Amino acid sequence: QVQLQESGPGLVKPSETLSLTCTVSGGSINNYYWSWIRQPPGKGLEWIGYIYYSGSTHYNPSLKSRVTVSVDTSKNQFSLNLTSVTAADTAVYYCAKQVTTSGTNWFDPWGQGALVTVSS
Amino acid sequence: QSVLTQPPSVSGAPGQRVTISCTGSSSNIGAGYDVHWYQQLPRTAPKLLIYGNSNRPSGLPDRFSVSKSGTSAFLAISGLQAEDEGDYYCQSYDSSGSWVFGGGTKLTVL
Repeated sequence: QVQLQESGPGLVKPSETLSLTCTVSGGSINNYYWSWIRQPPGKGLEWIGYIYYSGSTHYNPSLKSRVTVSVDTSKNQFSLNLTSVTAADTAVYYCAKQVTTSGTNWFDPWGQGALVTVSS
Repeated sequence: QSVLTQPPSVSGAPGQRVTISCTGSSSNIGAGYDVHWYQQLPRTAPKLLIYGNSNRPSGLPDRFSVSKSGTSAFLAISGLQAEDEGDYYCQSYDSSGSWVFGGGTKLTVL
């Protein structure tokens, strides 16, 4: 079955760019939607944005100005860039497959998550 | 502040039934968008629990059930077991253009 694994720096300085990559194994990235979701420590979940394998994207309006999600189908990977980070961006970042069917969307499966701390 | 509102915590004794509410508005649940539910066990990633309003992934016991009314959705867990302890999240779509989650409910099995 499909498995996802996040990778990237665990510490980012304020005002810099957070970059993470999600590697998809056990299945192809083609023909599906892929999302990033984050969870600040002790808090709830926030959807960041998705990318379709073809490269089309859709972002959370609250983060849109700072987010870029890209895909590399040759490597079965997709990536997240979040610019101008602050301490409020400290969170566990999850990648997930966004399942789209009959006009509804859910997230399954999820990666194990990557904690990113924003601190100088 | 989450778009969907859940109670911070619920608890119940083994064997009992508990219900977790998820309250939204006319721009998400009230607009007819489906509600999905996730379970997050301690120190793990969220896992899909129920999707498409009432569908369970294979292997999930029928102790978990859902319902929906107006701008709210509900997750009921009957025959509580110790392994049910964890956080539960609801998720829907909001017409502002974003998929949204509840703030999560911590279930404690007494």
